[in-house]
Amino acid sequence: QSVLTQPPSVSAAPRQKVTISCSGSSSNIGINSVSWYQQLPGTAPKLLIYDNNKRPSGIPDRFSGSTSGTSATLGITGLQTGDEADYYCGTWDNSLSTGGVFGGGTKLTVL
Amino acid sequence: QVQLQESGPGLVNPSETLSLTCAVSAYSISSGYYWGWIRQPPGKGLEWIGSIYHSGNTYFNPSLKSRVTISVDTSENQFSLKLTSVTAADTAVYYCARYVLGVAIAADYWGRGTLVTVSS
Repeated sequence: QSVLTQPPSVSAAPRQKVTISCSGSSSNIGINSVSWYQQLPGTAPKLLIYDNNKRPSGIPDRFSGSTSGTSATLGITGLQTGDEADYYCGTWDNSLSTGGVFGGGTKLTVL
Repeated sequence: QVQLQESGPGLVNPSETLSLTCAVSAYSISSGYYWGWIRQPPGKGLEWIGSIYHSGNTYFNPSLKSRVTISVDTSENQFSLKLTSVTAADTAVYYCARYVLGVAIAADYWGRGTLVTVSS
């Protein structure tokens, strides 16, 4: 049971847009910034978004992040088959179980 | 380009200690940032294990805290993980990473990961 809740899977057609949600609480997303990672099969996670909506160098602007209250959202526009991957949200939790936390991951299928 | 490389045994006996090292290149650990360990059981999601600063300051996942030690060797520019009393549930790909934001909020550089299997 992950501290952050993500849908297990989402799907969309090439060139379309998709959003992935990440639901948390007042002890994590509500007070700390969120990051998003892309994990292609058999590879290490790759940072896509940090500090809620910032993109590291080299990440295309097709990827965007936003937060509202205790939830965060990753948006991907102009979907490509190469975007098929698992996506994870992450942040810090300030509850009694303080520490780094991740969502359970969302499998994106580009139909 | 910052690079991280995990090393250590790929097979550990139950009840023994898992030991891994992460060698960092193209960046001095002493220059800053937190450095962490994350694991991923086969077919499952990511789990943060703990993070360390070059001063030795550490933070651990509460669920693993009693079994985890993370240390840093700035002279060798590497940091290490020890996990005691392992069971099959500790079988996972173990990653080391650099946290560019916070203790464990955003990791910008990752190692390739190393699979550790706990089995006799």
